[in-house]
Amino acid sequence: AQKVTQAQTEISVVEKEDVTLDCVYETRDTTYYLFWYKQPPSGELVFLIRRNSFDEQNEISGRYSWNFQKSTSSFNFTITASQVVDSAVYFCALNSGGYQKVTFGTGTKLQVIP
Amino acid sequence: GAGVSQTPSNKVTEKGKYVELRCDPISGHTALYWYRQSLGQGPEFLIYFQGTGAADDSGLPNDRFFAVRPEGSVSTLKIQRTERGDSAVYLCASSLGRDGTGELFFGEGSRLTVL
Repeated sequence: AQKVTQAQTEISVVEKEDVTLDCVYETRDTTYYLFWYKQPPSGELVFLIRRNSFDEQNEISGRYSWNFQKSTSSFNFTITASQVVDSAVYFCALNSGGYQKVTFGTGTKLQVIP
Repeated sequence: GAGVSQTPSNKVTEKGKYVELRCDPISGHTALYWYRQSLGQGPEFLIYFQGTGAADDSGLPNDRFFAVRPEGSVSTLKIQRTERGDSAVYLCASSLGRDGTGELFFGEGSRLTVL
């Protein structure tokens, strides 16, 4: 079985603040993939990043960065210098070896206040 | 088209009616997924197709739900004897990958309201 937990239901920050979205996952497999998706108010989920379980190197893409720690089964997402356009619901997701379905967390709604 | 297309975008029906939701994936994507998203929740897996066959239908809630993909492209999700609890946004996604490890490309969803 695979499970994704996003404990933060809603977060509000003021524009230009940094914010971290937490994601904790559960799987018994040694091979798995982790994802983050963004769902803006329009509703369409947009892929942000994919990491595999063998690559713990953190990644930075512009204002976005991801911290993958196998020891704590976490895959956290940080937005630096947040902007109003970052307001959306963010989903962490997991696909573990042997399963073909991607399991999503319940999402974190981020509101960036101007 | 360039992206995943879903029709209708909105569907209002009465309890007990039959509903069909259509998904047209990105051309060339062999993998197709249906998810259901209730208000305030994350997408919940329903079924996964690899080509024409349903490789995993473990997420279908009961036998009122059925999906087909006869030619390995367009898929239709069919719901019989709809219930109010079926109200949700039904999302379709497609992917190039064969093993669920690739990026999913989502459509905008079909919002189903059962009165």
